[in-house]
Amino acid sequence: QVQMVQSGPEVKKPGSSVKVSCRASGGTSNNYVIGWVRQAPGQGLEWLGRIIPALDLRDYAQKFQGRVTITADGSSRTAFLELSDLRSDDTAIYYCAKERTNTDPALESWGQGTLVTVSS
Amino acid sequence: EIVLTQSPGTLSLSPGERATLSCRASKSVLSNYFAWYQQTPGQPPRLLIYGTSNRATGIPDRFSGGGSGTDFSLTISRLEPEDFAVYYCQQYDGSPTFGQGTKVEIK
Repeated sequence: QVQMVQSGPEVKKPGSSVKVSCRASGGTSNNYVIGWVRQAPGQGLEWLGRIIPALDLRDYAQKFQGRVTITADGSSRTAFLELSDLRSDDTAIYYCAKERTNTDPALESWGQGTLVTVSS
Repeated sequence: EIVLTQSPGTLSLSPGERATLSCRASKSVLSNYFAWYQQTPGQPPRLLIYGTSNRATGIPDRFSGGGSGTDFSLTISRLEPEDFAVYYCQQYDGSPTFGQGTKVEIK
């Protein structure tokens, strides 16, 4: 069973950028897809994008186009989410999750979440 | 973007009762691309159902999913104490979106 381990909490100023990491541990396949979802305090879930590390292919939610960059380092099985031009309403828990299969985007294994706080 | 609307917003039930949660899509969704998640306080979401009706690994059979087109449902046949949580539907027929959530609380 693959476990997703994320980096620690971040506090950022408005207008700055944040980069969150997510490492896949366990499992043997390098053929996987990682998605990113965020959850503002007391709110629901919002999909930001995904990456297929083996193919270096990525897909972003239209809302975040131009502000979000998802990358991956296949050798360390680590994915990264970078969000730029941060605003106060970007304050949220950011989750990574492994998709169930390459053809089924249901999010099967979730990281513990990374709290990003944007405050002046 | 496909908008998912969940109902009711809150469901107040007692342990042992049956829970039926609904999710309506703004346009038709392929059944292969519909899922349900459970989230308890302080925890990440957990995949319950994928492909509309398939239980994820380790999910007990009191959870069942169904539906097609624009109307989908999650049923919990007999509520256990650990089932009181927030439930989200998700479609991934195109750019993924989530519903706003249904909270199942103890009556």
